[in-house]
Amino acid sequence: DIQMTQSPASLSASLGETVTIQCQASEDIYSGLAWYQQKPGKSPQLLIYGASSLQDGVPSRFSGSGSGTQYSLKISSMQTEDEGVYFCQQGLKYPLTFGSGTKLEIK
Amino acid sequence: EVQLVESGGGLVQPGRSLKLSCAASGFTFSDYNMAWVRQAPKKGLEWVATISYDGSSTYYRDSVKGRFTISRDNAKSTLYLQMDSLRSEDTATYYCARHLRGWFAYWGQGTLVTVSS
Repeated sequence: DIQMTQSPASLSASLGETVTIQCQASEDIYSGLAWYQQKPGKSPQLLIYGASSLQDGVPSRFSGSGSGTQYSLKISSMQTEDEGVYFCQQGLKYPLTFGSGTKLEIK
Repeated sequence: EVQLVESGGGLVQPGRSLKLSCAASGFTFSDYNMAWVRQAPKKGLEWVATISYDGSSTYYRDSVKGRFTISRDNAKSTLYLQMDSLRSEDTATYYCARHLRGWFAYWGQGTLVTVSS
């Protein structure tokens, strides 16, 4: 199985700050990576797929990059509504696997 | 608007069975692969099973293989998950999701399954 390791486990950011979350795969996943945001009590929402493609309706302050085994999600200007837990997921091979999540809070 | 509405969750004893349903609307159901993803209380996300658009192919995580069965009725735009021989570690919120290649573009609101005596 492909293991997905996310870092950090949690972080706090000020309004307007740039935030970066990392995700490392245990093998090359050829940009087969997605990022999700989950708010308390809600279902996850797809933000980024194919490592860097923005899902329809997602604000442009979210961006994804990376290749091979190393990927990152960037929020260019932290907003209040960006609080939540962020998960990465590889979509290359079954079993499809998720990172353990990064909890993002406002400082 | 894409809508996925799960139902069928509840409290069940270990070893018993439960069947979840997911009613889809707002898109052509028969065009998309569908999946179940679960989340144990206060834990991360775990893919459970996927079924191809026409039902000809299914995929399962090892821990549910032989116990869970994913199926679909394209005429009714409904996805199912038959869960047999339930264990305490199956306790989770179960989400129905529409695939976008290997990822999940749309999610339902989830249905909670609690396995306990």
